[in-house]
This record gives sequence, structure tokens and C-alpha cells, in this order.
Amino acid sequence: DAKTTQPPSMDCAEGRAANLPCNHSTISGNEYVYWYRQIHSQGPQYIIHGLKNNETNEMASLIITEDRKSSTLILPHATLRDTAVYYCIVCSNDYKLSFGAGTTVTVRA
Amino acid sequence: SAVISQKPSRDICQRGTSLTIQCQVDSQVTMMFWYRQQPGQSLTLIATANQGSEATYESGFVIDKFPISRPNLTFSTLTVSNMSPEDSSIYLCSYRVGSRLDEQYFGPGTRLTVT
Repeated sequence: DAKTTQPPSMDCAEGRAANLPCNHSTISGNEYVYWYRQIHSQGPQYIIHGLKNNETNEMASLIITEDRKSSTLILPHATLRDTAVYYCIVCSNDYKLSFGAGTTVTVRA
Repeated sequence: SAVISQKPSRDICQRGTSLTIQCQVDSQVTMMFWYRQQPGQSLTLIATANQGSEATYESGFVIDKFPISRPNLTFSTLTVSNMSPEDSSIYLCSYRVGSRLDEQYFGPGTRLTVT
């Protein structure tokens, strides 16, 4: 699986958009970008994934650069409940889910 | 998604003993996994629990230390054997619907403290 690099932490103001970057310069053609998050004392939760195109669902948007070497997860209107560790994972669709260090996001009132 | 539960939710155990963690899913699932999350760390995959056959372990994990059972498509157990304080972690069960990584779900975890 391709390695990912994320900032260790970031703060965000409640109600503002949170933009979480992820670098994955060694991604290969058949690998997807997945985002999961882990709220304190809970198991990880799927957020969104993409291959080439930008994606949006009820939780977030995923912007993938044209060369696919980086991506950004956007939480459009962050709430206090979005405080969590966010994991960017790159792998083939049927492979095993492997977690890196992630970004600890703290949403402040 | 199916409901996934683990027992116990937490335990405090003495060094040298063993603990078996149970994972129950309320519908049949193909793939089940066990992860470990050491204090302040990310999740590490221990093994894939295969129904009707031996588990497939990741590098650094062995069957003698972490025996796993998967007797049917809804249930699995992980045993942490001959425990030491270094085994103090949260152990999480996970299942996947088919082969899609966007349909992988995690249990609430079992918080284990070894004294």
C-alpha cells in the first residue's frame, strides 16, 4: 500500500470548514483514497473514498489532485462532534485496511 | 450496517493470565478482523479471522500469543495469552461487507489493562 503523510494535528472553529490535507505521492493506479475517523473511545468510522474524481456525501467532500499525489478532506461546517482523529488511507479496494498516525482535529467553540 | 458488539468492554488482568474477547455481529459477514490500539497509538491489524480455517496473522503477531477462533459467520474470539503489561491496549473487532473497504465497520473495543 502507498504511504500517506498527514499533519499530526489541527484546530478548527465551530461552523467553519475544516480542510484536512493528505499526501500520497506513491499511490498507484488501482489504489483508492479512503478517509476514516475515530472519535474518542469509539471504533473508526468510514467517511468517504475516491479514485480520481472529487466526491461528496452527507458527511464530507474529497478533493483529489489531478496527479493523485495528494487529497483534501473537507468538513463543510465543523461541529464539536467532529473532534476526532482522521485517517487518510490508500489501498486497493479489496485489500486490508491499514491505519497510519492520522490527524487529530479539535473543533473549538 | 449490522450491529457489532464485544465482550468484555474492559478488563484488568494479572500478568501471566489469558483473556478471551468475544465479538458478535448480528448478521452473517464474510470477513472479520482483529486490531490492536496501544495507548496513544493508531490501530494495528493483528489478523484476519477466517470462517472454518486458521486465522491469517500479520507480521509481528503469532497464533500462540493471539489465538483466534471463527466458528461461524457471526462470531469470533481473540485470546490474549500469557499477558504482560505491554499487552495493555484496546482490542477492536471489525467486519467487512463483501470486499469493499467503504463497508468496514468496527466494534466499540475492549480496553485491557495488564498489571
